[in-house]
Amino acid sequence: EVQLAESGGGLVQPGGSLRLSCAASGFTLSSYEMSWVRQPPGKGLEWVSSVTGSGDTTYYADSVEGRFTISRDSSKNTLYLQMNSLRVEDTAVYYCARDLGGTSHYWGQGTLATVSS
Amino acid sequence: EIVLTQSPATLSLSPGERATLSCRASQSVSTYLAWYQQKPGQAPRLLIYDAFNRATGIPARFSGSGSGTDFILTVSSLEPEDFAVYYCQQRNNWPLTFGPGTKVDIK
Repeated sequence: EVQLAESGGGLVQPGGSLRLSCAASGFTLSSYEMSWVRQPPGKGLEWVSSVTGSGDTTYYADSVEGRFTISRDSSKNTLYLQMNSLRVEDTAVYYCARDLGGTSHYWGQGTLATVSS
Repeated sequence: EIVLTQSPATLSLSPGERATLSCRASQSVSTYLAWYQQKPGQAPRLLIYDAFNRATGIPARFSGSGSGTDFILTVSSLEPEDFAVYYCQQRNNWPLTFGPGTKVDIK
């Protein structure tokens, strides 16, 4: 059974950093394209970043380009999102998802990152 | 960036009624469009991918149609568990984009 479990969210001040983790089970992470999607409280979904199955190519939304980095550790079967220079508008529930060609077929339950002073 | 517009913003219907949700793209996305359902406090769930393909385990009452810029999600007869927010998403171009959502609530 495919399972994704996010962790690492919390409260951080503007300008700070957080690293989100997404532990995968039931499949090999490095064989699949993976994404992060976020949802500010009470608002809609926003795609954040994706990495191809090979890991050679990454994609970022303009709103996070240069501040966020997607990566993965095959030995731990875990996906990461390093978030630096955080802004109040980055406050959201962050979901990781297993993708196929840009469509998210499986989702985790999300982790809340709150950026506030 | 491809902008997706969904209508209506809210759809008030009764169980057993037919729901028709629209998604329009600012430029052609071919058939590279997906639909997701989200209930309060839950992660989104994939319903339809590539315009008309039902995802694993999705009931046949959900169907998708369309191509190019205009797409429709139809729920043939609403069940109590179908009252939720529905999002469309395109994968034709980077960045991937989502529509603002349609809330289907109980009339």
